[in-house]
Amino acid sequence: DTEVTQTPKHLVMGMTNKKSLKCEQHMGHRAMYWYKQKAKKPPELMFVYSYEKLSINESVPSRFSPECPNSSLLNLHLHALQPEDSALYLCASSQEGGGKAFFGQGTRLTVV
Amino acid sequence: GDSVTQMEGPVTLSEEAFLTINCTYTATGYPSLFWYVQYPGEGLQLLLKATKADDKGSNKGFEATYRKETTSFHLEKGSVQVSDSAVYFCALSDPSRSGYSTLTFGKGTMLLVSP
Repeated sequence: DTEVTQTPKHLVMGMTNKKSLKCEQHMGHRAMYWYKQKAKKPPELMFVYSYEKLSINESVPSRFSPECPNSSLLNLHLHALQPEDSALYLCASSQEGGGKAFFGQGTRLTVV
Repeated sequence: GDSVTQMEGPVTLSEEAFLTINCTYTATGYPSLFWYVQYPGEGLQLLLKATKADDKGSNKGFEATYRKETTSFHLEKGSVQVSDSAVYFCALSDPSRSGYSTLTFGKGTMLLVSP
């Protein structure tokens, strides 16, 4: 199983809503990542978890709150988002120590 | 900081034409280099990688060679197909973050292949 599974695939939310994005992998990877990709732009790193601990936060606004409940799951909790937060949110995982990263299909988020 | 520069697109080719997408990088250490492909509406798929100078990554007819002297990692394919139409991202992993695969991406190059 070399898949990273993200749900939902599409999400439309209002600026006062609270929602969560989910990511799951069963490759035994101990590092997991959230990236944000705006239209026609490259992905940009948001967060890195290593061994279920937050290791890197790329100065992401607090309206994005990551969570790693166990070594296979990664969540991104969303609250009070702005329309400019509309983007494709990509989850990735890799083995500890680096190496190639496997990406999920992404969640396309629209904030209205 | 580290950066990746890719040629601007779109690159428009006829089927069976030769493809080159240029990629150069700037890094303080010795990064690993990657090419990812993104089909419309989808996530990123790893196409190939190279971890040290003179390594050649290859997959599905695509090739790229890690050239330290020119800090380049150009993507090539001898004969493209319509199904290769996608956006191609060159990326490097930050060598200062050796415990992770944090990627810095180029801006992406769209490839359009016509029959």
